[in-house]
Amino acid sequence: EPEVTQTPSHQVTQMGQEVILRCVPISNHLYFYWYRQILGQKVEFLVSFYNNEISEKSEIFDDQFSVERPDGSNFTLKIRSTKLEDSAMYFCASSEAPGGNYGYTFGSGTRLTVV
Amino acid sequence: EDQVTQSPEALRLQEGESSSLNCSYTVSGLRGLFWYRQDPGKGPEFLFTLYSAGEEKEKERLKATLTKKESFLHITAPKPEDSATYLCAVQSSYITETSGSRLTFGEGTQLTVNP
Repeated sequence: EPEVTQTPSHQVTQMGQEVILRCVPISNHLYFYWYRQILGQKVEFLVSFYNNEISEKSEIFDDQFSVERPDGSNFTLKIRSTKLEDSAMYFCASSEAPGGNYGYTFGSGTRLTVV
Repeated sequence: EDQVTQSPEALRLQEGESSSLNCSYTVSGLRGLFWYRQDPGKGPEFLFTLYSAGEEKEKERLKATLTKKESFLHITAPKPEDSATYLCAVQSSYITETSGSRLTFGEGTQLTVNP
């Protein structure tokens, strides 16, 4: 069964450093997303991406964050100047369409720890 | 603003003891209501999408139902492997090909099934 692959599974970074989280979406999917989950809290939407541009972003997704599809297979989330409160599980997801019978396929996540 | 409230927060069942999880929602036009399963340290795994009041979907021991204000996830004769956190999410009807399609998640119900 096709899956969304995320790397690394765990990243520890110093406060103020930049991190790049990587995702390989399912190959025939056109819509890509990032969500995050702070420990013990709900899954929160960050951004959606379609046709090489951001289609929607949440209030969380400020100038500190950026997304990119650098080639035909990868989808990345960059966090500049990380803060302690950025520590969370970050999930990449992809879908064939913006809504649909198959939901969104999520990756296993990258646990980001900012120290 | 879309809102999702799940209850109970945690539920402990004996193997074979059927029960239901609740998801109450407020959304400006429901495009879809999604149920996901999440295992510890993993990404959400898609279970069902429901679109309109009265709709029901089944998968093995799980059945999801939808009304205009809430959804139920019924678990019949659960097994220990059904232990997980069950997440409910809603998607607004405001969707175009290029606009966003965020999911708004609830806090989840942590289900434990004891043998």
